[in-house]
Amino acid sequence: AQSVTQLGSHVSVSEGALVLLRCNYSSSVPPYLFWYVQYPNQGLQLLLKYTSAATLVKGINGFEAEFKKSETSFHLTKPSAHMSDAAEYFCAVDTGGFKTIFGAGTRLFVKA
Amino acid sequence: DTGVSQDPRHKITKRGQNVTFRCDPISEHNRLYWYRQTLGQGPEFLTYFQNEAQLEKSRLLSDRFSAERPKGSFSTLEIQRTEQGDSAMYLCASSLEGTGTYEQYFGPGTRLTVT
Repeated sequence: AQSVTQLGSHVSVSEGALVLLRCNYSSSVPPYLFWYVQYPNQGLQLLLKYTSAATLVKGINGFEAEFKKSETSFHLTKPSAHMSDAAEYFCAVDTGGFKTIFGAGTRLFVKA
Repeated sequence: DTGVSQDPRHKITKRGQNVTFRCDPISEHNRLYWYRQTLGQGPEFLTYFQNEAQLEKSRLLSDRFSAERPKGSFSTLEIQRTEQGDSAMYLCASSLEGTGTYEQYFGPGTRLTVT
């Protein structure tokens, strides 16, 4: 069965600092992997997706993630945090069916 | 393309009442999903439609929950005899089969509060 673990329910960074949000997955078949962002009282917006093409995936708003099969990881990074990046971030896995499994989320705080 | 819409955005109801939520997916999308999200958690899968057929239901979806997608377009989620534990955000998403990326587009959600 697939599962997703997001390390750290809260991450705090200073504006301009590196953002690193960690995600590890478990899947018995090659997965599709996603990062979504959720702002308060809104739905989820797709940041980026891995679909077995390039292992380094670039998304919107300067975010990127690297798929590492040996580590079963798909960590999200952004070189320089902006105040507008403060939100909840969800990692998700899909093995090609209809069911997407989401992690518990990581809330990102950005300090001025 | 106006995106996925959900109605209402907020619903407050008394325990024991029935509620119904509506989801309008992106017009050409043939797959539609319902999720439930509680505070501090990621969305949990409830059910999935391909066109008008409901192909999978989670064990989270008790007998009090029913979902329909009568013409393969909009969908409704009904909760009968609501309980306080039903308080959550109910998210709808849609996708297009055949794109190969399984990317889902989410609506803004309906926040249910059961008092």
